[in-house]
Amino acid sequence: DTAVSQTPKYLVTQMGNDKSIKCEQNLGHDTMYWYKQDSKKFLKIMFSYNNKELIINETVPNRFSPKSPDKAHLNLHINSLELGDSAVYFCASSQVAGANYGYTFGSGTRLTVV
Amino acid sequence: AQSVTQLDSHVSVSEGTPVLLRCNYSSSYSPSLFWYVQHPNKGLQLLLKYTSAATLVKGINGFEAEFKKSETSFHLTKPSAHMSDAAEYFCVVSGISGNTPLVFGKGTRLSVIA
Repeated sequence: DTAVSQTPKYLVTQMGNDKSIKCEQNLGHDTMYWYKQDSKKFLKIMFSYNNKELIINETVPNRFSPKSPDKAHLNLHINSLELGDSAVYFCASSQVAGANYGYTFGSGTRLTVV
Repeated sequence: AQSVTQLDSHVSVSEGTPVLLRCNYSSSYSPSLFWYVQHPNKGLQLLLKYTSAATLVKGINGFEAEFKKSETSFHLTKPSAHMSDAAEYFCVVSGISGNTPLVFGKGTRLSVIA
């Protein structure tokens, strides 16, 4: 039983395409996140949802659009993909919108734009 | 704003010798602090967390960390390194409120030599 699962694990696509990454958590957590990890391993927050409501929206190109149909799911849609979007994207969840609990991370989606 | 500085980008130790990964934090309040580990091509796993209880925190796989407010440090240690400890380690500080996300350090790559 995977706590936070992301699909796909690997995604190779051409510039200009539109793609989606899906995330589901079965922990009953209220809050979900998307992080981007660049080639130097640096992790940066992109979005956060609490009970389907957007609470964090960092400076991210508006080609990136998160969608949360329910509190167990947070999907990431990316339009007009660019070379610089190549990275590993991690989904995470936490019990409440309180970072003191720590986050549970998915195993990541490695996106390669060619 | 809160931040963490991991003082070494790469640490190399021999198997069976002690591990020390250094982390300093900056925060205007009493933070929660975490260490996460990322094995190659894997997701992030919580090693341990400090949330204003005991200053010496024990985690999984024999790791521990000590919160030192006077030194604003949260260094990660292990008495005896194992080959399986080779990974990327991230020091993380909590946000100022429930709606601010965890902030990651830039990571320390631990190599273990046989």
